[in-house]
Amino acid sequence: GNSVTQMEGPVTLSEEAFLTINCTYTATGYPSLFWYVQYPGEGLQLLLKATKADDKGSNKGFEATYRKETTSFHLEKGSVQVSDSAVYFCALSWDSGYALNFGKGTSLLVTP
Amino acid sequence: DAGVIQSPRHEVTEMGQEVTLRCKPISGHNSLFWYRQTMMRGLELLIYFNNNVPIDDSGMPEDRFSAKMPNASFSTLKIQPSEPRDSAVYFCASTQTRTGYNQPQHFGDGTRLSIL
Repeated sequence: GNSVTQMEGPVTLSEEAFLTINCTYTATGYPSLFWYVQYPGEGLQLLLKATKADDKGSNKGFEATYRKETTSFHLEKGSVQVSDSAVYFCALSWDSGYALNFGKGTSLLVTP
Repeated sequence: DAGVIQSPRHEVTEMGQEVTLRCKPISGHNSLFWYRQTMMRGLELLIYFNNNVPIDDSGMPEDRFSAKMPNASFSTLKIQPSEPRDSAVYFCASTQTRTGYNQPQHFGDGTRLSIL
């Protein structure tokens, strides 16, 4: 079946540090891949997406590249801010009419 | 634009009571999803609808759970009778489905349910 595996958190970084959150997936074929972010007390918001191999999604300084060779979609940011503290979810789906398969989420805390 | 609207935001009730969660999707969206979030299991799909028709309800835990979508602008998730293990945050999400074009899902702020 389809599944998504994320690195365990929590991740604690100092402001301006480099961030990587690892995500790998298992699927037959080539799904679309997403990163969602959840701020405390809120729902999930789409952060970025990639719909085919070698696509790079980017938003708000975050980037992730769809790597079919390694079945990965790692999230990176060059310089994190305190306001980036949140839970990040990697997810896959086959089409917009299909449900998302989520990873367990990675909690990020950025300290000043 | 109004996003996905869920109500109530918080619900605390006693075991055995009926609980009804409500969702209004974004206007024009034709797919609606109910997810449950817990510390132990993360985010799980409960059920999803396309054009008001349930497509996959395999995630509904048991017969105590039921969901309806009587029209394109409203859905309910009902738990009867409720149990303490149903305590979780329940999210509704919607999207516009177009073949071959992958639109992201938009999430509501969730309903935090506590069953005592």
